[in-house]
Amino acid sequence: EAGVTQSPTHLIKTRGQQATLRCSPISGHTSVYWYQQALGLGLQFLLWYDEGEERNRGNFPPRFSGRQFPNYSSELNVNALELEDSALYLCASSPRVGRDTQYFGPGTRLTVL
Amino acid sequence: DQQVKQNSPSLSVQEGRISILNCDYTNSMFDYFLWYKKYPAEGPTFLISISSIKDKNEDGRFTVFLNKSAKHLSLHIVPSQPGDSAVYFCAASAQGNQGGKLIFGQGTELSVKP
Repeated sequence: EAGVTQSPTHLIKTRGQQATLRCSPISGHTSVYWYQQALGLGLQFLLWYDEGEERNRGNFPPRFSGRQFPNYSSELNVNALELEDSALYLCASSPRVGRDTQYFGPGTRLTVL
Repeated sequence: DQQVKQNSPSLSVQEGRISILNCDYTNSMFDYFLWYKKYPAEGPTFLISISSIKDKNEDGRFTVFLNKSAKHLSLHIVPSQPGDSAVYFCAASAQGNQGGKLIFGQGTELSVKP
Protein backbone atom coordinates (compact mmCIF):
# COMPACT_ATOMS: atom_id res chain seq x y z
CA GLU A 1 0.00 0.00 0.00
CA ALA A 2 1.43 3.37 -1.02
CA GLY A 3 2.07 5.84 1.77
CA VAL A 4 1.41 9.54 1.92
CA THR A 5 3.16 11.33 -0.92
CA GLN A 6 4.17 14.96 -1.09
CA SER A 7 5.49 17.18 -3.87
CA PRO A 8 7.77 18.83 -4.49
CA THR A 9 10.55 17.46 -2.29
CA HIS A 10 12.28 20.82 -2.20
CA LEU A 11 11.00 24.29 -3.05
CA ILE A 12 13.00 27.49 -3.17
CA LYS A 13 11.19 30.81 -3.26
CA THR A 14 12.00 34.43 -2.58
CA ARG A 15 10.37 36.63 0.01
CA GLY A 16 6.94 37.88 -1.05
CA GLN A 17 6.26 35.02 -3.47
CA GLN A 18 3.62 32.32 -3.09
CA ALA A 19 4.31 28.63 -2.50
CA THR A 20 2.03 25.69 -3.29
CA LEU A 21 2.67 22.31 -1.69
CA ARG A 22 0.78 19.16 -2.56
CA CYS A 23 -0.16 16.01 -0.71
CA SER A 24 -1.80 12.72 -1.63
CA PRO A 25 -3.14 10.70 1.30
CA ILE A 26 -3.06 6.95 1.75
CA SER A 27 -5.81 5.33 -0.29
CA GLY A 28 -9.01 5.18 1.76
CA HIS A 29 -7.99 8.00 4.10
CA THR A 30 -10.30 11.00 4.13
CA SER A 31 -8.55 13.28 6.61
CA VAL A 32 -5.45 15.27 5.71
CA TYR A 33 -3.35 17.30 8.14
CA TRP A 34 -0.56 19.80 7.59
CA TYR A 35 2.26 20.51 10.04
CA GLN A 36 5.26 22.82 9.99
CA GLN A 37 8.63 21.90 11.44
CA ALA A 38 10.89 24.92 11.53
CA LEU A 39 14.59 24.43 12.22
CA GLY A 40 15.20 23.41 15.80
CA LEU A 41 11.50 23.31 16.64
CA GLY A 42 8.93 20.58 17.03
CA LEU A 43 6.04 19.93 14.71
CA GLN A 44 3.38 22.64 14.77
CA PHE A 45 -0.17 21.89 13.64
CA LEU A 46 -1.28 24.00 10.67
CA LEU A 47 -4.51 22.70 9.17
CA TRP A 48 -6.88 19.71 9.14
CA TYR A 49 -9.16 18.85 6.23
CA ASP A 50 -11.78 16.16 6.08
CA GLU A 51 -14.32 15.46 3.35
CA GLY A 52 -13.31 18.66 1.59
CA GLU A 53 -13.89 20.91 4.61
CA GLU A 54 -11.42 22.72 6.85
CA ARG A 55 -12.05 21.22 10.32
CA ASN A 56 -9.40 22.87 12.45
CA ARG A 57 -6.68 25.44 12.13
CA GLY A 58 -3.50 26.06 14.11
CA ASN A 59 -2.12 29.37 15.29
CA PHE A 60 -0.85 30.55 11.92
CA PRO A 61 -1.70 33.75 9.96
CA PRO A 62 -4.35 33.70 7.20
CA ARG A 63 -1.69 33.72 4.48
CA PHE A 64 -1.41 29.99 5.24
CA SER A 65 -4.37 28.37 3.53
CA GLY A 66 -5.26 25.20 1.75
CA ARG A 67 -7.93 23.02 0.31
CA GLN A 68 -8.89 19.41 -0.10
CA PHE A 69 -10.02 18.03 -3.43
CA PRO A 70 -12.78 15.45 -4.11
CA ASN A 71 -10.12 12.72 -4.40
CA TYR A 72 -8.97 13.72 -0.85
CA SER A 73 -5.61 15.09 -2.02
CA SER A 74 -4.72 18.45 -0.58
CA GLU A 75 -2.85 21.63 -1.31
CA LEU A 76 -1.19 24.01 1.12
CA ASN A 77 -0.71 27.57 -0.08
CA VAL A 78 1.55 30.08 1.61
CA ASN A 79 1.17 33.64 0.36
CA ALA A 80 3.50 36.61 0.84
CA LEU A 81 6.35 34.36 1.91
CA GLU A 82 8.54 35.49 4.77
CA LEU A 83 12.02 34.26 5.67
CA GLU A 84 10.70 32.53 8.79
CA ASP A 85 8.41 30.38 6.64
CA SER A 86 11.47 28.31 5.74
CA ALA A 87 10.71 24.90 7.20
CA LEU A 88 9.86 21.29 6.54
CA TYR A 89 6.14 21.02 5.76
CA LEU A 90 4.67 17.66 6.60
CA CYS A 91 1.38 16.21 5.45
CA ALA A 92 -0.34 13.37 7.26
CA SER A 93 -3.50 11.38 6.65
CA SER A 94 -5.83 9.23 8.70
CA PRO A 95 -8.73 6.94 7.77
CA ARG A 96 -11.51 8.80 9.54
CA VAL A 97 -12.24 11.98 11.35
CA GLY A 98 -9.90 13.00 14.07
CA ARG A 99 -9.25 10.04 16.31
CA ASP A 100 -7.07 7.69 14.36
CA THR A 101 -3.33 7.54 14.03
CA GLN A 102 -1.89 10.03 11.57
CA TYR A 103 0.56 8.71 8.99
CA PHE A 104 3.08 11.17 7.64
CA GLY A 105 4.58 11.81 4.25
CA PRO A 106 8.25 12.61 3.65
CA GLY A 107 7.69 16.37 3.69
CA THR A 108 8.47 19.34 1.48
CA ARG A 109 11.48 21.44 2.40
CA LEU A 110 10.59 25.08 1.70
CA THR A 111 13.42 27.59 1.61
CA VAL A 112 12.62 31.30 1.44
CA LEU A 113 15.48 33.53 0.32
CA ASP B 1 2.56 27.35 26.31
CA GLN B 2 4.25 23.99 25.82
CA GLN B 3 1.48 21.47 26.48
CA VAL B 4 3.65 18.46 25.67
CA LYS B 5 7.22 18.41 26.94
CA GLN B 6 10.14 16.12 26.35
CA ASN B 7 12.69 17.41 28.81
CA SER B 8 15.62 15.33 27.57
CA PRO B 9 16.91 16.58 24.22
CA SER B 10 19.17 13.56 23.88
CA LEU B 11 19.74 10.07 25.24
CA SER B 12 22.61 7.67 24.67
CA VAL B 13 22.20 3.95 25.31
CA GLN B 14 24.32 0.86 24.74
CA GLU B 15 23.06 -1.72 22.24
CA GLY B 16 21.01 -4.42 23.93
CA ARG B 17 20.06 -2.23 26.89
CA ILE B 18 16.73 -0.57 27.60
CA SER B 19 15.97 2.90 26.24
CA ILE B 20 13.45 4.94 28.22
CA LEU B 21 12.09 8.11 26.67
CA ASN B 22 9.90 10.37 28.76
CA CYS B 23 7.13 12.81 28.00
CA ASP B 24 5.02 15.07 30.23
CA TYR B 25 1.81 16.88 29.38
CA THR B 26 -0.24 19.59 31.04
CA ASN B 27 -3.64 19.44 29.32
CA SER B 28 -5.99 17.07 31.17
CA MET B 29 -8.22 16.95 28.07
CA PHE B 30 -5.64 14.89 26.19
CA ASP B 31 -6.95 11.35 25.82
CA TYR B 32 -4.85 9.79 23.07
CA PHE B 33 -1.08 9.63 22.94
CA LEU B 34 1.34 8.55 20.24
CA TRP B 35 5.04 8.05 19.72
CA TYR B 36 6.75 8.74 16.43
CA LYS B 37 10.28 8.12 15.24
CA LYS B 38 11.92 10.52 12.81
CA TYR B 39 15.07 10.44 10.75
CA PRO B 40 16.53 13.69 9.37
CA ALA B 41 14.78 15.00 6.23
CA GLU B 42 12.05 12.33 6.51
CA GLY B 43 8.53 12.36 7.82
CA PRO B 44 7.77 10.89 11.26
CA THR B 45 7.02 7.17 11.37
CA PHE B 46 4.29 5.99 13.73
CA LEU B 47 5.52 3.60 16.43
CA ILE B 48 2.86 3.02 19.05
CA SER B 49 -0.13 4.71 20.65
CA ILE B 50 -2.15 4.51 23.85
CA SER B 51 -5.61 5.61 24.82
CA SER B 52 -6.23 7.22 28.19
CA ILE B 53 -8.38 4.27 29.24
CA LYS B 54 -5.23 2.13 29.33
CA ASP B 55 -2.01 2.42 31.30
CA LYS B 56 0.15 0.21 29.11
CA ASN B 57 0.40 -0.82 25.48
CA GLU B 58 2.97 -3.16 24.03
CA ASP B 59 4.09 -3.87 20.47
CA GLY B 60 7.16 -6.02 20.05
CA ARG B 61 10.18 -4.25 21.49
CA PHE B 62 8.17 -1.08 22.19
CA THR B 63 6.03 -0.47 25.27
CA VAL B 64 4.30 2.76 26.19
CA PHE B 65 3.27 3.48 29.78
CA LEU B 66 0.75 6.14 30.73
CA ASN B 67 0.43 7.63 34.23
CA LYS B 68 -2.61 9.89 34.06
CA SER B 69 -2.35 11.19 37.61
CA ALA B 70 1.20 12.35 36.93
CA LYS B 71 0.40 13.40 33.35
CA HIS B 72 3.40 11.42 32.24
CA LEU B 73 4.08 8.83 29.58
CA SER B 74 7.16 6.90 28.66
CA LEU B 75 8.36 4.75 25.79
CA HIS B 76 10.49 1.73 26.58
CA ILE B 77 12.56 0.07 23.86
CA VAL B 78 13.95 -3.34 24.78
CA PRO B 79 16.45 -4.39 23.57
CA SER B 80 17.78 -1.23 21.93
CA GLN B 81 19.38 -1.61 18.51
CA PRO B 82 21.64 0.76 16.54
CA GLY B 83 18.83 1.16 13.97
CA ASP B 84 16.71 2.72 16.70
CA SER B 85 18.94 5.80 16.61
CA ALA B 86 16.63 8.65 15.60
CA VAL B 87 14.61 11.51 17.07
CA TYR B 88 11.55 10.37 18.99
CA PHE B 89 8.50 12.57 19.35
CA CYS B 90 5.58 12.08 21.68
CA ALA B 91 2.27 13.58 20.62
CA ALA B 92 -1.14 14.02 22.21
CA SER B 93 -4.65 14.76 21.06
CA ALA B 94 -7.97 15.64 22.64
CA GLN B 95 -11.56 15.08 21.54
CA GLY B 96 -14.00 17.84 20.72
CA ASN B 97 -12.83 21.02 19.06
CA GLN B 98 -9.24 19.94 19.24
CA GLY B 99 -9.96 16.65 17.50
CA GLY B 100 -7.55 15.91 14.70
CA LYS B 101 -4.84 18.20 16.03
CA LEU B 102 -1.74 16.49 17.39
CA ILE B 103 0.38 18.44 19.84
CA PHE B 104 3.99 17.35 19.66
CA GLY B 105 6.83 17.50 22.11
CA GLN B 106 10.19 18.90 21.07
CA GLY B 107 11.70 15.45 20.55
CA THR B 108 14.45 13.37 22.12
CA GLU B 109 17.39 12.26 20.02
CA LEU B 110 18.24 8.65 20.84
CA SER B 111 21.67 7.31 20.05
CA VAL B 112 22.19 3.56 20.41
CA LYS B 113 25.87 2.66 20.44
CA PRO B 114 27.11 -0.76 19.30
